[in-house]
Amino acid sequence: KQEVTQIPAALSVPEGENLVLNCSFTDSAIYNLQWFRQDPGKGLTSLLLIQSSQREQTSGRLNASLDKSSGRSTLYIAASQPGDSATYLCAVRPSQGAQKLVFGQGTRLTINP
Amino acid sequence: NAGVMQNPRHLVRRRGQEARLRCSPMKGHSHVYWYRQLPEEGLKFMVYLQKENIIDESGMPKERFSAEFPKEGPSILRIQQVVRGDSAAYFCASSPLGTGGTDTQYFGPGTRLTVL
Repeated sequence: KQEVTQIPAALSVPEGENLVLNCSFTDSAIYNLQWFRQDPGKGLTSLLLIQSSQREQTSGRLNASLDKSSGRSTLYIAASQPGDSATYLCAVRPSQGAQKLVFGQGTRLTINP
Repeated sequence: NAGVMQNPRHLVRRRGQEARLRCSPMKGHSHVYWYRQLPEEGLKFMVYLQKENIIDESGMPKERFSAEFPKEGPSILRIQQVVRGDSAAYFCASSPLGTGGTDTQYFGPGTRLTVL
């Protein structure tokens, strides 16, 4: 059974810092991995999707890496801004045939001005 | 192109009542997924539907919960005889394809169910 863990559960940093969020999964046989952002009381916004054959994806100040063999992914946020404050969720799609996403519990990020 | 729409956004029910949650997928999407987020927990998959078919309901509780996605109209998640433990945020997602390399699920804003 695939399990996804995100550490830390909460993180608070000053504005302008670079930071890394961590995600680990127990079964390395995944189809893809996705990072989402969730704002309070709102839905999820997809940030980056990494296929199992890829090592990383970049979008603006965000960079996500994937190491399937070790069951880990990181989300790197450069030059953090107060608007980056949100909960960041990591989700794994176990296989091409499985449509369900398996989510971690998220990291609640606060960027202090 | 409007995003995934869910209504109501907030729903309050007393124990024993029925809750009906609606999800309209993005235009052109024929695949719908329901997830539940309990307080302080991550999202948990409940059910995956295509038009008029339930494809995977492995995450649905065996009793009181049902889902449908009719040929016309929104997808409905129905919870009968609600209990306090059903209080959660219920998210719907949709995708254009059931399989595919870059198939992304697009999420709605969620319905927050409170059972008194």
